Amino acid sequence: GENVEQHPSTLSVQEGDSAVIKCTYSDSASNYFPWYKQELGKGPQLIIDIRSNVGEKKDQRIAVTLNKTAKHFSLHITETQPEDSAVYFCAATVFRDNYGQNFVFGPGTRLSVLP
Amino acid sequence: DVKVTQSSRYLVKRTGEKVFLECVQDMDHENMFWYRQDPGLGLRLIYFSYDVKMKEKGDIPEGYSVSREKKERFSLILESASTNQTSMYLCASTLGQRIADTQYFGPGTRLTVL
Repeated sequence: GENVEQHPSTLSVQEGDSAVIKCTYSDSASNYFPWYKQELGKGPQLIIDIRSNVGEKKDQRIAVTLNKTAKHFSLHITETQPEDSAVYFCAATVFRDNYGQNFVFGPGTRLSVLP
Repeated sequence: DVKVTQSSRYLVKRTGEKVFLECVQDMDHENMFWYRQDPGLGLRLIYFSYDVKMKEKGDIPEGYSVSREKKERFSLILESASTNQTSMYLCASTLGQRIADTQYFGPGTRLTVL
């Protein structure tokens, strides 16, 4: 089955610097890759996603890149701010028999933005 | 906005008790999911449902069951709670069955089994 690895597990950056989180997946059939942000005491919220027919997607300070050949995708946050501090999860979709797609999540990255 | 609510934010139960975790979504989504979240392990799928009265096992269904009597409600049941089921439980929903789509999560229920 699908396996998603995520690195690093923790990341500390100075405010204003960039942060990069990388995920790799194993199932070449996966075709949708969302990123979620989880703040303390809340459920994960989608921040950006990318489909397999696109190599890069950007939304203000957040971007995601996808390399299907190498089976990895990365989250890039520029000009980090203290409110970016949270746990970030990547995910890849897998097909389950006749029931469409489900998600397999990475273990998460705890990002701390230091003032 | 999609809203996914969970019946309790914190729950403390004793070993052997039957535990019900309730989840309700208000956007007429077809798909609903139950995950558990543990440090270093990410989110692991317990059960999911693509329709009323329909349920399918996820990756870690042992010790759990589910019920979906109405489209908006998906319940997770621990028939006899054990200490290794102490965890954060997250419910999620998505719009359609065969399209890769955003999952909307509830705030989570932190369950402690003593």
